[in-house]
Amino acid sequence: DAKTTQPPSMDCAEGRAANLPCNHSTISGNEYVYWYRQIHSQGPQYIIHGLKNNETNEMASLIITEDRKSSTLILPHATLRDTAVYYCIVRVEDNSKLTFGKGITLSVRP
Amino acid sequence: GAGVSQSPSNKVTEKGKDVELRCDPISGHTALYWYRQSLGQGLEFLIYFQGNSAPDKSGLPSDRFSAERTGGSVSTLTIQRTQQEDSAVYLCASSLYSGARKAFFGQGTRLTVV
Repeated sequence: DAKTTQPPSMDCAEGRAANLPCNHSTISGNEYVYWYRQIHSQGPQYIIHGLKNNETNEMASLIITEDRKSSTLILPHATLRDTAVYYCIVRVEDNSKLTFGKGITLSVRP
Repeated sequence: GAGVSQSPSNKVTEKGKDVELRCDPISGHTALYWYRQSLGQGLEFLIYFQGNSAPDKSGLPSDRFSAERTGGSVSTLTIQRTQQEDSAVYLCASSLYSGARKAFFGQGTRLTVV
């Protein structure tokens, strides 16, 4: 019943931008796109979320396609500490359940 | 406290024993969630509490699992007659209210059933 699909893994060089893709072709009009990440041996951490407009905060940028069927999380200058599993989640805002898939493992290499 | 606190951080128990896992949410957060993460797997939703409403127990895998939240704050997840497949990291999260955008997770309790 996965609502999002992500590649299993990717890597990037330290200091470069990391672009993490996510497909959510069945997203509904009232569903938001959320990104969380989980660094090894820690609990997940909220990164960013959006509905249809692109969003940016101190951690990342979220680019959502016009048809909302896919999105990209951008870490503009990846560091070694960004190595983690990144989860893309779609969620109705008033639905408390966050349903996590397997995520994408980002490895940042020196 | 500053964040969600879970205890113990590690628990080893014998098959068949009961265990209790504790979660102290962020002060003032009315929503509390429990998740389970088996080795190499994603997070599996177990249960959530929101204020005085009936908890959503739809993710509990069997009747050996139960949870309570006393006084709208601390929560305890109880697993009775533990089995080896219960071995996992149990994560607790809280948010300001059920639809809040950010959920804050604790570090988890690693449960090992031997």
